[in-house]
Amino acid sequence: EDQVTQSPEALRLQEGESSSLNCSYTVSGLRGLFWYRQDPGKGPEFLFTLYSAGEEKEKERLKATLTKKESFLHITAPKPEDSATYLCAAHSGGAQKLVFGQGTRLTINP
Amino acid sequence: NAGVTQTPKFQVLKTGQSMTLQCAQDMNHNSMYWYRQDPGMGLRLIYYSASEGTTDKGEVPNGYNVSRLNKREFSLRLESAAPSQTSVYFCASSGQARTEPQHFGDGTRLSIL
Repeated sequence: EDQVTQSPEALRLQEGESSSLNCSYTVSGLRGLFWYRQDPGKGPEFLFTLYSAGEEKEKERLKATLTKKESFLHITAPKPEDSATYLCAAHSGGAQKLVFGQGTRLTINP
Repeated sequence: NAGVTQTPKFQVLKTGQSMTLQCAQDMNHNSMYWYRQDPGMGLRLIYYSASEGTTDKGEVPNGYNVSRLNKREFSLRLESAAPSQTSVYFCASSGQARTEPQHFGDGTRLSIL
Protein backbone atom coordinates (compact mmCIF):
# COMPACT_ATOMS: atom_id res chain seq x y z
CA GLU A 1 0.00 0.00 0.00
CA ASP A 2 1.27 3.46 -0.90
CA GLN A 3 2.13 5.46 2.19
CA VAL A 4 3.71 8.78 3.13
CA THR A 5 4.75 9.51 6.73
CA GLN A 6 5.97 12.85 8.02
CA SER A 7 7.89 13.53 11.21
CA PRO A 8 7.78 15.16 13.59
CA GLU A 9 4.07 15.98 13.83
CA ALA A 10 4.92 19.33 15.37
CA LEU A 11 8.15 21.28 15.78
CA ARG A 12 8.78 24.44 17.70
CA LEU A 13 11.99 26.40 17.02
CA GLN A 14 13.49 29.70 18.02
CA GLU A 15 14.03 32.27 15.30
CA GLY A 16 17.35 31.49 13.61
CA GLU A 17 17.44 27.86 14.81
CA SER A 18 17.88 25.62 11.76
CA SER A 19 16.28 22.19 11.51
CA SER A 20 14.89 19.57 9.11
CA LEU A 21 11.50 18.01 8.48
CA ASN A 22 11.30 14.40 7.34
CA CYS A 23 9.05 12.74 4.78
CA SER A 24 9.33 8.95 4.38
CA TYR A 25 7.54 7.34 1.49
CA THR A 26 6.72 3.91 0.17
CA VAL A 27 4.96 4.19 -3.17
CA SER A 28 5.08 2.08 -6.28
CA GLY A 29 6.95 3.84 -9.03
CA LEU A 30 7.59 7.31 -7.63
CA ARG A 31 6.89 9.92 -10.31
CA GLY A 32 7.49 12.98 -8.16
CA LEU A 33 7.76 14.15 -4.54
CA PHE A 34 5.99 17.42 -3.75
CA TRP A 35 6.31 19.83 -0.84
CA TYR A 36 3.54 22.26 0.10
CA ARG A 37 3.11 24.94 2.73
CA GLN A 38 -0.31 25.40 4.35
CA ASP A 39 -1.26 28.41 6.47
CA PRO A 40 -4.28 28.26 8.82
CA GLY A 41 -7.53 28.68 6.93
CA LYS A 42 -5.82 28.44 3.54
CA GLY A 43 -5.20 25.80 0.91
CA PRO A 44 -1.82 24.16 0.39
CA GLU A 45 0.66 26.33 -1.50
CA PHE A 46 3.10 24.56 -3.82
CA LEU A 47 6.80 24.83 -2.90
CA PHE A 48 8.89 22.19 -4.70
CA THR A 49 8.83 19.11 -6.88
CA LEU A 50 11.65 16.54 -6.76
CA TYR A 51 11.81 13.78 -9.34
CA SER A 52 14.90 11.68 -8.67
CA ALA A 53 17.17 10.67 -5.81
CA GLY A 54 19.95 13.19 -5.26
CA GLU A 55 17.93 16.10 -6.54
CA GLU A 56 17.82 19.31 -4.48
CA LYS A 57 15.69 22.45 -4.78
CA GLU A 58 16.02 25.73 -2.87
CA LYS A 59 13.78 28.70 -2.19
CA GLU A 60 14.81 31.39 0.25
CA ARG A 61 15.41 29.66 3.61
CA LEU A 62 14.06 26.30 2.44
CA LYS A 63 15.92 23.44 0.75
CA ALA A 64 14.32 20.15 -0.24
CA THR A 65 16.31 16.98 -0.86
CA LEU A 66 15.33 13.50 -2.03
CA THR A 67 16.67 9.99 -1.49
CA LYS A 68 15.17 6.68 -2.58
CA LYS A 69 13.16 6.42 0.63
CA GLU A 70 12.94 9.90 2.14
CA SER A 71 12.74 13.57 1.47
CA PHE A 72 13.93 16.29 3.80
CA LEU A 73 12.88 19.90 4.01
CA HIS A 74 15.74 21.83 5.56
CA ILE A 75 14.97 25.24 6.98
CA THR A 76 17.92 27.53 7.61
CA ALA A 77 17.76 30.45 10.04
CA PRO A 78 13.95 30.44 10.09
CA LYS A 79 11.83 33.51 10.77
CA PRO A 80 8.40 33.69 12.45
CA GLU A 81 6.75 34.04 9.02
CA ASP A 82 7.96 30.53 8.18
CA SER A 83 5.47 29.18 10.73
CA ALA A 84 3.00 26.93 8.89
CA THR A 85 2.12 23.30 8.32
CA TYR A 86 4.36 21.68 5.73
CA LEU A 87 2.92 18.83 3.68
CA CYS A 88 4.71 16.36 1.49
CA ALA A 89 3.05 14.22 -1.15
CA ALA A 90 4.31 11.44 -3.40
CA HIS A 91 2.96 10.78 -6.86
CA SER A 92 2.42 7.07 -7.19
CA GLY A 93 2.96 5.90 -10.72
CA GLY A 94 1.36 2.59 -9.90
CA ALA A 95 -1.88 4.10 -8.60
CA GLN A 96 -1.69 7.28 -10.67
CA LYS A 97 -2.49 9.49 -7.71
CA LEU A 98 -0.95 11.84 -5.16
CA VAL A 99 -0.51 10.39 -1.65
CA PHE A 100 -0.23 13.00 1.10
CA GLY A 101 1.47 12.81 4.46
CA GLN A 102 -0.24 14.20 7.55
CA GLY A 103 1.99 17.25 7.73
CA THR A 104 4.43 18.83 10.17
CA ARG A 105 3.21 21.86 12.07
CA LEU A 106 6.16 24.24 12.36
CA THR A 107 6.19 27.13 14.82
CA ILE A 108 9.00 29.68 14.87
CA ASN A 109 9.17 31.78 18.02
CA PRO A 110 10.66 35.29 17.82
CA ASN B 1 -4.25 35.96 -10.20
CA ALA B 2 -7.37 34.13 -9.01
CA GLY B 3 -6.03 30.58 -9.54
CA VAL B 4 -8.54 28.15 -8.01
CA THR B 5 -11.71 29.66 -6.55
CA GLN B 6 -14.06 27.74 -4.27
CA THR B 7 -17.53 28.70 -3.09
CA PRO B 8 -18.90 28.86 -0.51
CA LYS B 9 -16.13 29.33 2.07
CA PHE B 10 -18.29 28.12 4.96
CA GLN B 11 -21.50 26.13 5.17
CA VAL B 12 -23.57 24.50 7.90
CA LEU B 13 -26.06 21.80 6.92
CA LYS B 14 -28.47 19.54 8.70
CA THR B 15 -28.24 15.78 8.27
CA GLY B 16 -30.02 14.74 5.09
CA GLN B 17 -29.75 18.08 3.32
CA SER B 18 -28.03 18.33 -0.03
CA MET B 19 -25.63 20.89 -1.41
CA THR B 20 -23.13 21.51 -4.17
CA LEU B 21 -19.62 22.85 -3.68
CA GLN B 22 -18.36 24.89 -6.60
CA CYS B 23 -14.82 25.12 -7.96
CA ALA B 24 -13.43 27.11 -10.88
CA GLN B 25 -9.87 27.54 -12.15
CA ASP B 26 -8.47 30.11 -14.55
CA MET B 27 -5.12 28.45 -15.33
CA ASN B 28 -6.34 26.48 -18.35
CA HIS B 29 -5.57 23.22 -16.53
CA ASN B 30 -6.88 19.92 -17.82
CA SER B 31 -7.05 18.03 -14.53
CA MET B 32 -9.13 18.89 -11.48
CA TYR B 33 -9.48 17.23 -8.08
CA TRP B 34 -11.60 17.21 -4.94
CA TYR B 35 -10.02 16.40 -1.57
CA ARG B 36 -11.20 16.37 2.01
CA GLN B 37 -8.91 17.24 4.91
CA ASP B 38 -9.61 15.91 8.39
CA PRO B 39 -7.48 16.23 11.53
CA GLY B 40 -4.90 13.47 11.68
CA MET B 41 -5.95 12.04 8.30
CA GLY B 42 -4.18 14.25 5.81
CA LEU B 43 -5.64 15.11 2.44
CA ARG B 44 -7.71 12.33 0.87
CA LEU B 45 -8.83 12.28 -2.74
CA ILE B 46 -12.58 12.08 -3.28
CA TYR B 47 -12.90 12.35 -7.08
CA TYR B 48 -10.83 13.65 -9.92
CA SER B 49 -11.26 14.63 -13.54
CA ALA B 50 -8.29 14.07 -15.82
CA SER B 51 -9.88 16.09 -18.60
CA GLU B 52 -13.15 17.69 -19.59
CA GLY B 53 -15.84 15.03 -19.89
CA THR B 54 -14.17 12.43 -17.65
CA THR B 55 -14.40 11.76 -13.92
CA ASP B 56 -12.97 8.99 -11.72
CA LYS B 57 -13.31 7.88 -8.13
CA GLY B 58 -10.56 8.55 -5.66
CA GLU B 59 -9.90 7.09 -2.24
CA VAL B 60 -13.15 8.14 -0.47
CA PRO B 61 -15.95 8.64 -3.07
CA ASN B 62 -18.92 7.23 -1.14
CA GLY B 63 -21.65 9.81 -0.50
CA TYR B 64 -20.40 12.22 -3.16
CA ASN B 65 -20.99 12.94 -6.82
CA VAL B 66 -19.10 15.23 -9.18
CA SER B 67 -19.69 17.08 -12.42
CA ARG B 68 -17.03 18.46 -14.74
CA LEU B 69 -19.17 21.21 -16.19
CA ASN B 70 -16.52 22.48 -18.61
CA LYS B 71 -12.74 22.87 -18.60
CA ARG B 72 -12.87 25.53 -15.89
CA GLU B 73 -15.44 24.17 -13.47
CA PHE B 74 -15.68 21.03 -11.33
CA SER B 75 -18.44 20.70 -8.75
CA LEU B 76 -18.87 18.31 -5.82
CA ARG B 77 -22.36 17.34 -4.64
CA LEU B 78 -23.49 15.84 -1.36
CA GLU B 79 -26.91 14.31 -2.01
CA SER B 80 -27.79 13.49 1.60
CA ALA B 81 -25.30 14.99 4.03
CA ALA B 82 -24.11 12.97 7.03
CA PRO B 83 -22.16 14.12 10.12
CA SER B 84 -19.19 12.02 8.90
CA GLN B 85 -18.90 14.42 5.96
CA THR B 86 -18.03 17.31 8.25
CA SER B 87 -14.66 18.36 6.90
CA VAL B 88 -12.70 20.94 4.97
CA TYR B 89 -13.00 20.39 1.23
CA PHE B 90 -10.30 21.46 -1.18
CA CYS B 91 -10.42 21.69 -4.94
CA ALA B 92 -7.18 21.54 -6.94
CA SER B 93 -6.11 21.66 -10.56
CA SER B 94 -3.02 20.69 -12.52
CA GLY B 95 -1.67 20.77 -16.05
CA GLN B 96 -1.47 18.07 -18.68
CA ALA B 97 1.24 15.89 -17.17
CA ARG B 98 0.11 13.98 -14.13
CA THR B 99 3.36 14.79 -12.34
CA GLU B 100 2.79 18.53 -12.61
CA PRO B 101 2.08 20.15 -9.22
CA GLN B 102 -1.50 20.58 -8.13
CA HIS B 103 -2.66 24.07 -7.21
CA PHE B 104 -5.27 24.38 -4.49
CA GLY B 105 -8.13 26.67 -3.60
CA ASP B 106 -8.65 27.96 -0.06
CA GLY B 107 -11.27 25.38 0.81
CA THR B 108 -14.88 25.08 1.93
CA ARG B 109 -15.43 24.45 5.63
CA LEU B 110 -18.51 22.25 5.92
CA SER B 111 -20.28 21.27 9.12
CA ILE B 112 -23.09 18.71 9.17
CA LEU B 113 -25.27 18.81 12.26
